[in-house]
Amino acid sequence: SQTIHQWPATLVQPVGSPLSLECTVEGTSNPNLYWYRQAAGRGLQLLFYSVGIGQISSEVPQNLSASRPQDRQFILSSKKLLLSDSGFYLCAWSGTKWQSNEQFFGPGTRLTVL
Amino acid sequence: DQQVKQNSPSLSVQEGRISILNCDYTNSMFDYFLWYKKYPAEGPTFLISISSIKDKNEDGRFTVFLNKSAKHLSLHIVPSQPGDSAVYFCAASAMAAGNKLTFGGGTRVLVKP
Repeated sequence: SQTIHQWPATLVQPVGSPLSLECTVEGTSNPNLYWYRQAAGRGLQLLFYSVGIGQISSEVPQNLSASRPQDRQFILSSKKLLLSDSGFYLCAWSGTKWQSNEQFFGPGTRLTVL
Repeated sequence: DQQVKQNSPSLSVQEGRISILNCDYTNSMFDYFLWYKKYPAEGPTFLISISSIKDKNEDGRFTVFLNKSAKHLSLHIVPSQPGDSAVYFCAASAMAAGNKLTFGGGTRVLVKP
């Protein structure tokens, strides 16, 4: 069966510090991968998605970047965090067949920027 | 521009009664709709989905209804149980747009014993 992991689970970082959040998927190959952010009391906003190694699409302009160095690894990064980067970050995967609309989410990372 | 809207931020229902969650969308290209359930500090879990070629899909206590002409879908939970207390997100996708999901803002459901 497929599983998705995210770490760390929680993170407190000062403004201006770098960020690296990691997501890995097991039990599937060539998944589509996604990064979402849920700000406090709000819905899920798609930040990045990837259909393959090295292929990243950005949905919104922001202070963050994403990379996919391996088929089942997705990394969210920032060189200098802003207060507004605080939120709950979720990684998700889906299959690549057109019928595979369902996305499956990881446990999330709670990021607090102080 | 919010393409998927959940106009009720919260809903309170008695245990055993029906919970009805509503979702409206504006993009006529959406052809697949999903409901997710989310507990605090956890990732959303997939509940149920419906293709635009159907108007109803049922899975146990959960039923999703789709009204394409009104661009409206709803999730019915019956009977509601205390463990159903969570935030529910509606999401939509379009095959022409690579099946990326667009989420609504969520509805917090509280089931009272």
